[in-house]
Amino acid sequence: EPEVTQTPSHQVTQMGQEVILRCVPISNHLYFYWYRQILGQKVEFLVSFYNNEISEKSEIFDDQFSVERPDGSNFTLKIRSTKLEDSAMYFCASRLQGPVQYFGPGTRLTVT
Amino acid sequence: SQQGEEDPQALSIQEGENATMNCSYKTSINNLQWYRQNSGRGLVHLILIRSNEREKHSGRLRVTLDTSKKSSSLLITASRAADTASYFCATVRSNDYKLSFGAGTTVTVRA
Repeated sequence: EPEVTQTPSHQVTQMGQEVILRCVPISNHLYFYWYRQILGQKVEFLVSFYNNEISEKSEIFDDQFSVERPDGSNFTLKIRSTKLEDSAMYFCASRLQGPVQYFGPGTRLTVT
Repeated sequence: SQQGEEDPQALSIQEGENATMNCSYKTSINNLQWYRQNSGRGLVHLILIRSNEREKHSGRLRVTLDTSKKSSSLLITASRAADTASYFCATVRSNDYKLSFGAGTTVTVRA
């Protein structure tokens, strides 16, 4: 069964460094999302992406964040200058056209 | 806020018992979904109920939706140890289908 994959599973970075989190959505899906979950807290929406542009973004998704679909398969989330409070689990999700989203296993980002 | 809020926060039951958890939300919705998350893993979609539906079943899962009370419940019948996980409700308001999650209910099923 097709699934969403994410790499790396765990990323450790120093404050102020740039990180790129990678996702490979299910191949024929059209809508892509990033969510994050700070340890012990709710899963929060970051951004949605369709037709090569951002559809919606949350207040968390400030100028330090960007997303890209550089080719037909990858979907990336870049954090330009990481802060301690960016430490979280980041989930990528995708869907075809219906309302159900398929989530990847997540990337645990630790900012030291 | 669009987000759902679940209760209880945690639930511990014996294998074979039923588990019920509730979700309340604040604004109108297009649909409400329930997801499961095993420890440290991704979210797995369980069931979706649309705003014009009142009840849905899928295997051992039963979901109800009361739009007048802005609440939903998830019932897992005849629980198994493998049902041990966190369960989240997520509301969808717009055609973009962005999910607004609640804080979740952690269910522990004791063998």
